[in-house]
Amino acid sequence: EAGVAQSPRYKIIEKRQSVAFWCNPISGHATLYWYQQILGQGPKLLIQFQNNGVVDDSQLPKDRFSAERLKGVDSTLKIQPAKLEDSAVYLCASSAGTGYNQETQYFGPGTRLLVL
Amino acid sequence: DAKTTQPPSMDCAEGRAANLPCNHSTISGNEYVYWYRQIHSQGPQYIIHGLKNNETNEMASLIITEDRKSSTLILPHATLRDTAVYYCIVRVQGGSEKLVFGKGMKLTVNP
Repeated sequence: EAGVAQSPRYKIIEKRQSVAFWCNPISGHATLYWYQQILGQGPKLLIQFQNNGVVDDSQLPKDRFSAERLKGVDSTLKIQPAKLEDSAVYLCASSAGTGYNQETQYFGPGTRLLVL
Repeated sequence: DAKTTQPPSMDCAEGRAANLPCNHSTISGNEYVYWYRQIHSQGPQYIIHGLKNNETNEMASLIITEDRKSSTLILPHATLRDTAVYYCIVRVQGGSEKLVFGKGMKLTVNP
């Protein structure tokens, strides 16, 4: 079974530029998550999708971050414009669902973003 | 905020059992204890979870105290590949409550 795929693995941009990350979850997984992990900290949830609907985006900085999952499969996370403090690893995870015994999250390798 | 407390780091000798502690003194009756780990430059990996009974799978064992205020993750025969940051998380199972990661505990397995 293929795992969660993410691209690119690394990205370096200058502040005020825009950037997009892509995630392809495990086949059949209904729930998709984007996390931000700043160096030395644990991952922080940015947004959670159930199929193509947003379940939780309470910690997404909506003035600059956006995410979509149009067909309920793969997803993109965009930052526009980027700030220095956005330097982090962006992790995508998926789970079969949110019900009992469906909610184990499987994580991708992450995209490491450096904003200069 | 994370509802658990873990020591920042721990060392273990290769081949020995690694016992990773976690305190969760404010855990609610319907909250489970979850363990994930994150090997360097990889995404977190699920290990195990439990409510009140001890649990074991192919990766580890989870021992939860009777009052549920603390737990221990046991890696029975640690290898160098078990070197990672280990996260102990409490949450309600089967709901939309999110995983809240703290800083975790860095386990270093030494040869």
